[in-house]
Formats: sequence, C-alpha cells, structure tokens
Amino acid sequence: DAKTTQPNSMESNEEEPVHLPCNHSTISGTDYIHWYRQLPSQGPEYVIHGLTSNVNNRMASLAIAEDRKSSTLILHRATLRDAAVYYCILGNRDDKIIFGKGTRLHILP
Amino acid sequence: NAGVTQTPKFRILKIGQSMTLQCTQDMNHNYMYWYRQDPGMGLKLIYYSVGAGITDKGEVPNGYNVSRSTTEDFPLRLELAAPSQTSVYFCASRTLAGGGNEQFFGPGTRLTVL
Repeated sequence: DAKTTQPNSMESNEEEPVHLPCNHSTISGTDYIHWYRQLPSQGPEYVIHGLTSNVNNRMASLAIAEDRKSSTLILHRATLRDAAVYYCILGNRDDKIIFGKGTRLHILP
Repeated sequence: NAGVTQTPKFRILKIGQSMTLQCTQDMNHNYMYWYRQDPGMGLKLIYYSVGAGITDKGEVPNGYNVSRSTTEDFPLRLELAAPSQTSVYFCASRTLAGGGNEQFFGPGTRLTVL
C-alpha cells in the first residue's frame, strides 16, 4: 500500500483558512487521494477525495499537485467544530484503505 | 436513513468471555468493514466483506470472527476476550459507485476487557 506522510499536529486560528499538507511520493496511477476526519469521541467522517484535478465540496477543497506526489486539504474558514484528527489516505474503489496517525488540528478561539 | 448503526455503545467483558458486536446499515451498501482503534492510534482493519456470503481478513484478524448472511448486517464475534482487545470498534460501509473509497462509519463500540 502506498504510504502518506502528514504532520503530527497543526494549529490554526478560528475563522481563518487552514491548509493541511500530505505527501505521497509513491502514489500509483490508480490511487485516489482521500481525506477523512475524526471528531473527538466519534467515528471517522469522509471529507473529500480526488484523482488528478482539484476538488471542492461543501466541507473543504482538495488541491492536488501536478505530479500527484502531494496534496493539500483546505478548510476555507475554520471553526471550533473543525478541531479533529485529519487522515490523508490513498486507495481506489477496490482497495482496503489504511488509516495512519493523521494530523491533529487544534483551532484557537 | 439511519446510516450505520452499532450496538452496544459500551461493554465491559471479563477475560475469556465472548460477545458479538452488531453492525447494521440501511444504505444497501455492498462493502462493509470492521476496524479497531486503540488510544491515540489510527484505525486498523480487522475484517471486511464485499457482499453477502463473502468475508476476508484485514490487518489484525486474530481473535475475531465475522459473518455476512445479509447485505444489511455484519456482526463481529469475539470468542475468548483478552485485555489486548480493549479498544473502540468501528463498523463502516460503502457503495461501489464512484471511483473513490468513501466509507460511512458507525458511532463505535467501546469495549473494555478486564
């Protein structure tokens, strides 16, 4: 399974944009880039996924580097509710997905 | 839709006891998964199923069994509980539609083995 590298933790101020980085230098051509998040004491929640082009949805945006070896999850305006562990995961529809330790995002009021 | 539901929410077992963790989804999803999450760690895949009657091992299957007799239900069985199985257990499901791997998770079962 291709691996991802994320910072252990990040801080951001409330109401400011947050850019969460993910490196995946061994990504294969069929791997999608997924982001999940896990709020305290809850199950993981799907955020977004993409293959080559940047993607937007109601929760976030996903910016994918042209060589696909890195990506960035963008929360446009962080709220306290966005404090969570964010997981960057590679896989396609036929794979099991492997959760790493993720990035713990702290939001400062 | 209720999504993915899990019962019980909490359970304390004694060493050597058995129990079944229940998982049900009402989205008609083909794929279902069982994960465990130890404190401060990411999720580890225990077992998964690609449809009724088909199951396969994940990363950490030892000490667990599963069955998938219907599309909706995917119970996880612990036969001889051990302290190492103290964890939070999450069930998830997904459809085959789309190119990605969007899974829907249940709220979890917190299990303590003493």
